[in-house]
Amino acid sequence: DTGVSQNPRHKITKRGQNVTFRCDPISEHNRLYWYRQTLGQGPEFLTYFQNEAQLEKSRLLSDRFSAERPKGSFSTLEIQRTEQGDSAMYLCASSLVGGSGGYTFGSGTRLTVV
Amino acid sequence: ELKVEQNPLFLSMQEGKNYTIYCNYSTTSDRLYWYRQDPGKSLESLFVLLSNGAVKQEGRLMASLDTKARLSTLHITAAVHDLSATYFCAVYPVLSYNTDKLIFGTGTRLQVFP
Repeated sequence: DTGVSQNPRHKITKRGQNVTFRCDPISEHNRLYWYRQTLGQGPEFLTYFQNEAQLEKSRLLSDRFSAERPKGSFSTLEIQRTEQGDSAMYLCASSLVGGSGGYTFGSGTRLTVV
Repeated sequence: ELKVEQNPLFLSMQEGKNYTIYCNYSTTSDRLYWYRQDPGKSLESLFVLLSNGAVKQEGRLMASLDTKARLSTLHITAAVHDLSATYFCAVYPVLSYNTDKLIFGTGTRLQVFP
């Protein structure tokens, strides 16, 4: 297993454009999480899935954000009409239910909105 | 509001010295995680602490958890340059509703110099 994989690693987009990120979790993990990290801060929770069901969404996840995990495997995070404030590192993590074995994070997608 | 505070925020220490990073949190939790992050990189799991009194050691790092005091420590013994990074603690809160997310601390940026 190669761990949690995220694509792309970097994305530069113009304000107002839509972007989509992909996360492939560890295959045996049934939970998948999205976090956002801005410069100099700790990661902040956005949302998580158990299999294909989205179980919780943070208030940080505005209407412009949508996340899916259609078949319970990979997940996508889409941001519509990007704003400069969306510039951040978007981190994906996966775990088994309960998280007692820990949460494994991917390398992240760094988004820059110009 | 759930808060996780780390101190110090910045730590510059000489090689060979010992130091402790503190992580205080404001909510009930019996599970705490420590992560390391190198600049521009993702989070590397260091320790998973699952109960009151848990102590784990790996190389020059040792972590402990006191759930009654809502405090975790990360102790560095005989620091070396390779330990230079940002260290985050993350708390798994016990809330009244079903959730599965980590609340991250502010991070401690460690720099080890000769």
